[in-house]
Amino acid sequence: DGGITQSPKYLFRKEGQNVTLSCEQNLNHDAMYWYRQDPGQGLRLIYYSQIVNDFQKGDIAEGYSVSREKKESFPLTVTSAQKNPTAFYLCASTLLAGGQNEQFFGPGTRLTVL
Amino acid sequence: SQELEQSPQSLIVQEGKNLTINCTSSKTLYGLYWYKQKYGEGLIFLMMLQKGGEEKSHEKITAKLDEKKQQSSLHITASQPSHAGIYLCGADTYRGTSGSRLTFGEGTQLTVNP
Repeated sequence: DGGITQSPKYLFRKEGQNVTLSCEQNLNHDAMYWYRQDPGQGLRLIYYSQIVNDFQKGDIAEGYSVSREKKESFPLTVTSAQKNPTAFYLCASTLLAGGQNEQFFGPGTRLTVL
Repeated sequence: SQELEQSPQSLIVQEGKNLTINCTSSKTLYGLYWYKQKYGEGLIFLMMLQKGGEEKSHEKITAKLDEKKQQSSLHITASQPSHAGIYLCGADTYRGTSGSRLTFGEGTQLTVNP
């Protein structure tokens, strides 16, 4: 079955530690995205990538880093510089050709900083 | 003010009742996407609207995009407990990007009481 997987489902981190969230897709989608969701605030874009080895900052990129070494994978690192990292993180992907295309979402990772 | 506003923020209805959720943009909408989310899970794509005046239906859910392409409504007929969840609209307000970057509303929390 094609889809997007995120791991782990739940992640706990101590203050001052970096942590990497995994996102993999087997849909052969071109673009991949990372969003952060806080209660009552909808989704905010952290980073996105439209092609391998290239990515752009979204609205709230500070304290985060990404890489896109393979088309299928777009890991997100939450660094110790992120002041308030506790949140629900969602990964998405989409095709870029053929007009408007919906974004497909993974199941999410809930990160808690202790 | 928010680029994309959803109303209401929350809605509690009795099973069998109809309801409407609105999504209003401060910019022209080149694509408007409706998603549903269960708490703690990923987003499920419902419908996409692109043309002014367009209307789409899936089962008991109907979405419309107004002629001026700055507002969309999502209407549920004869609501059921299975309709409960968070409904989010996502907007493509960048001409020529074909949905490659979306802005999301804050979501509407829907509760359907049996």
